[in-house]
Amino acid sequence: SQQGEEDPQALSIQEGENATMNCSYKTSINNLQWYRQNSGRGLVHLILIRSNEREKHSGRLRVTLDTSKKSSSLLITASRAADTASYFCATDETGNTGKLIFGQGTTLQVKP
Amino acid sequence: EAGVAQSPRYKIIEKRQSVAFWCNPISGHATLYWYQQILGQGPKLLIQFQNNGVVDDSQLPKDRFSAERLKGVDSTLKIQPAKLEDSAVYLCASSLGSGSYEQYFGPGTRLTVT
Repeated sequence: SQQGEEDPQALSIQEGENATMNCSYKTSINNLQWYRQNSGRGLVHLILIRSNEREKHSGRLRVTLDTSKKSSSLLITASRAADTASYFCATDETGNTGKLIFGQGTTLQVKP
Repeated sequence: EAGVAQSPRYKIIEKRQSVAFWCNPISGHATLYWYQQILGQGPKLLIQFQNNGVVDDSQLPKDRFSAERLKGVDSTLKIQPAKLEDSAVYLCASSLGSGSYEQYFGPGTRLTVT
């Protein structure tokens, strides 16, 4: 079963602009992770944020987590054409086996 | 560090035939996962191993899918007999442990069932 729902499903921006993707989930979690998938490199882990964290940064990436609203957002600043990919949030549910449940993904196109 | 290896990369079979996929995880990773990703969707977990034991196979269609991880290292996923709806990319991933660990994914096997 899919846990996360990403919004928007597709996003098209110009190089240099910022891109924001949102993820909503249904149950309590231990952590939430973001992954990127493109045809060249497959699925790659971007960032992990734990349930007791509210914000995390990694290079041009900024992730926020609001457990009261069961939502997370991924911000990519100063986007590049190479950021063109699908982005997935994945949740590690509390009390589960540690497996990840992925959302449907947001497809990002960055135009040069 | 070598990544997760998978083979074959592509496979085309007819319905009712059988197929097997192989995965070699990153050395030292105790947890191994098999996912099915249908076009336009996120990956769906089929089975999770911790060393050579099954932790979660709740979404594995056990009437046709089987998986094993002998000696807690390599793993194979088999489909027998295949159906048209099994057309998907099958991804293998590994991690140091389960839970708060990032998963490392292989390139996947694209299966087409005709």
